Amino acid sequence: NAGVMQNPRHLVRRRGQEARLRCSPMKGHSHVYWYRQLPEEGLKFMVYLQKENIIDESGMPKERFSAEFPKEGPSILRIQQVVRGDSAAYFCASSPVGRNTGELFFGEGSRLTVL
Amino acid sequence: EDKVVQSPLSLVVHEGDTVTLNCSYEVTNFRSLLWYKQEKKAPTFLFMLTSSGIEKKSGRLSSILDKKELFSILNITATQTGDSAVYLCAVGETSGSRLTFGEGTQLTVNP
Repeated sequence: NAGVMQNPRHLVRRRGQEARLRCSPMKGHSHVYWYRQLPEEGLKFMVYLQKENIIDESGMPKERFSAEFPKEGPSILRIQQVVRGDSAAYFCASSPVGRNTGELFFGEGSRLTVL
Repeated sequence: EDKVVQSPLSLVVHEGDTVTLNCSYEVTNFRSLLWYKQEKKAPTFLFMLTSSGIEKKSGRLSSILDKKELFSILNITATQTGDSAVYLCAVGETSGSRLTFGEGTQLTVNP
């Protein structure tokens, strides 16, 4: 049973380019969460999605960031016009239940470096 | 704003030592506290605590929650080099969907 799959594992972008990070939840999970981890900091909640719905995006920056979880295919975190401050590890997690207070299963993260 | 503070931020011990990691929190509507282990990749789940005073154990690891004093501890006995990792504490609320994480404790166990 495959775990949470994220790709790419490493992504390098120049300032102004777009970054797309993908996440396939565990089989049977329909709830996806994105977290960002800056160097030397803890995980910061960004967004919680179910299939075709954004449930809670209170942790998403107001501009340049968007997320989706379509009916078919992986969840996508999209960062437009990246800046150096976007360099971080982006973790996706999934769960089989609706509330983000139980066990979350994390992917191995996508590490974005902005030059 | 919810807040989770872990201490110490880093800890270096020798194999066989016992360590205690601390986590204090401020959250509006507490529902649960979770511990994760992160070894340069995906955080892996250790414990979820919802009730005060009930110890959870898994092998050499154990954890307990004090909801009156708003903290939790994670104990690791007879440490091994494989215990070297960042240990993350997180709290969840009754409302909303987010987990709020602390900065983590970097544990290094030397042979």
